[in-house]
Amino acid sequence: EVQLVESGGGLVQPGGSLRLSCAASGFTFSSYAMSWVRQAPGKGLEWVSAISGSGGSTYYADSVKGRFTISRDNSKNTLYLQMNSLRAEDTAVYYCAKDPLEMATIRFDYWGQGTLVTVSS
Amino acid sequence: DIQMTQSPSSLSASVGDRVTITCQASQDISNYLNWYQQKPGKAPKLLIYDASNLETGVPSRFSGSGSGTDFTFTISSLQPEDIATYYCQQYDTLCAFGPGTKVDIK
Repeated sequence: EVQLVESGGGLVQPGGSLRLSCAASGFTFSSYAMSWVRQAPGKGLEWVSAISGSGGSTYYADSVKGRFTISRDNSKNTLYLQMNSLRAEDTAVYYCAKDPLEMATIRFDYWGQGTLVTVSS
Repeated sequence: DIQMTQSPSSLSASVGDRVTITCQASQDISNYLNWYQQKPGKAPKLLIYDASNLETGVPSRFSGSGSGTDFTFTISSLQPEDIATYYCQQYDTLCAFGPGTKVDIK
């Protein structure tokens, strides 16, 4: 059974940093691209970033480019999102999501339950 | 950037009704479109991929159609457990979600 478990969310001040993690199990992690998708309170879904299975290709939404970095450790079956220079508008539940292919098609067949990031002073 | 629109933004229907949601892309995305269901407090769930393919395990009352810029999602007979928000998503160029359609029971 595919399982994706996010962690690392919390309250952070504007301008601060936070690193999210997503622990994967139930599938061969290195064989699939992964993404982060966020949802602000009461709002719709917004794709944030994607990474190929090998980690060699990364993609970002314009809203986070230059501030967020996606990475993965295939030996630990873990996906990461390093978030710097955080803004109030980054407040959201952050989901990790699995792609059905190794290359990042940026579509999602499995999702984690999400971790809440709140950016506030 | 490709923009996605959905209509209606919300709807209320009776159990057993046929429900239709439309999704439009700002440019041709071929069939690179998925549909997700999100229940309150839960993660989204993939229902339809590549515009018209039913994800494994998803009830056959859900269906999708379309290509190019215009897409349709249908619930053939609305059930109480279908109360949720439904999102379309294009992956022709990176990724963009539609704003969602909230479905309620009348």
